[in-house]
Amino acid sequence: AQTVTQSQPEMSVQEAETVTLSCTYDTSESDYYLFWYKQPPSRQMILVIRQEAYKQQNATENRFSVNFQKAAKSFSLKISDSQLGDAAMYFCAFFTGNQFYFGTGTSLTVIP
Amino acid sequence: NAGVTQTPKFRILKIGQSMTLQCTQDMNHNYMYWYRQDPGMGLKLIYYSVGAGITDKGEVPNGYNVSRSTTEDFPLRLELAAPSQTSVYFCASSFQGSDYGYTFGSGTRLTVV
Repeated sequence: AQTVTQSQPEMSVQEAETVTLSCTYDTSESDYYLFWYKQPPSRQMILVIRQEAYKQQNATENRFSVNFQKAAKSFSLKISDSQLGDAAMYFCAFFTGNQFYFGTGTSLTVIP
Repeated sequence: NAGVTQTPKFRILKIGQSMTLQCTQDMNHNYMYWYRQDPGMGLKLIYYSVGAGITDKGEVPNGYNVSRSTTEDFPLRLELAAPSQTSVYFCASSFQGSDYGYTFGSGTRLTVV
């Protein structure tokens, strides 16, 4: 069975500072993909970043980067220079076969 | 704008009523999905479809039915609504196996009273 664990229900960060959201997963699969999705109050699910498990290099998208530790099954999201628009629920997700598995989310507050 | 369109955005049902949540996409995606999101939880897969005429159960299919007669449309049917089906429902679509992520609709908030 695949599981995704986000141990931080809530996080906060000062505007312009850096914050790291944690995610761990459990799987016996060797071929999979990892994602971070953002869900603002509008409810729209927005893809933030994607990581292929077979790639050693950590993915980066502008102010968003990941720290992918395959052996530890860890996939954290770092948000640099946090902005007010980053305030949202963030979901870590694991994809294998035809299915996504989502964590329970981390609610991020950005303090002006 | 291209994307996944869900209707309605909000709905209140009485116990035992039925309804259909509509989902349509205009990106010619072959894969479509229905998820539900309960408070404080991640998304759980209800049903998915890999193409017109093909559907399969996800993790939480009980109480729901789907059909896929066209590439564009993937309606979700609730028969005999129960309070346990109070949730936010998301439709999503993708090409092939989704390893580039889904395109999500904006969700339907359903309350069963």
